[in-house]
Amino acid sequence: DAKTTQPNSMESNEEEPVHLPCNHSTISGTDYIHWYRQLPSQGPEYVIHGLTSNVNNRMASLAIAEDRKSSTLILHRATLRDAAVYYCILRGYAGGTSYGKLTFGQGTILTVHP
Amino acid sequence: SAVISQKPSRDICQRGTSLTIQCQVDSQVTMMFWYRQQPGQSLTLIATANQGSEATYESGFVIDKFPISRPNLTFSTLTVSNMSPEDSSIYLCSVLGDSYYNEQFFGPGTRLTVL
Repeated sequence: DAKTTQPNSMESNEEEPVHLPCNHSTISGTDYIHWYRQLPSQGPEYVIHGLTSNVNNRMASLAIAEDRKSSTLILHRATLRDAAVYYCILRGYAGGTSYGKLTFGQGTILTVHP
Repeated sequence: SAVISQKPSRDICQRGTSLTIQCQVDSQVTMMFWYRQQPGQSLTLIATANQGSEATYESGFVIDKFPISRPNLTFSTLTVSNMSPEDSSIYLCSVLGDSYYNEQFFGPGTRLTVL
């Protein structure tokens, strides 16, 4: 599985935007970029995913570099509830039900200050 | 979306014993997984639970230690056998959704402490 690199930790103030970076220089053409987060004492939850184009949903935005070797998860206005470990994961997809495994790295611990 | 429940939510066990963890999903799903999260660590995939056939284990995990059953498309069990303190972890069940987002849903986990 292709590897991702994330900062160990980041801090933000409430209601400010947060940009969480992820490097994935060995990404292959069939790898999708997925982001999950794990709130304290809970299982991980899906945040967003993309392939080449930038993506937006109600939780966040995903900005993908043109060469796909890096991406950034953007939380537009951080809240205290956004304090979590954020995982950037590459997941292969070969069509149909041929999904690659979801392999978690160490992630980025996001602290949000009131 | 898929709602996943796990039983038990936590347990304290003696070394040498076994514990079976149950995972129930509120809808039929094709792919179901078991993960382990050791204290202060990230999640590690143990195996893919296949309906009607033997589970597919990841490197470092074996069937004798972590037998898995998947009798139907909504239920699976993971047994942690002959436990030692090193097995103290959170064990999470996960399923792959069927939507365009191909998101994976996770259960709340089972916190296991082995004395």
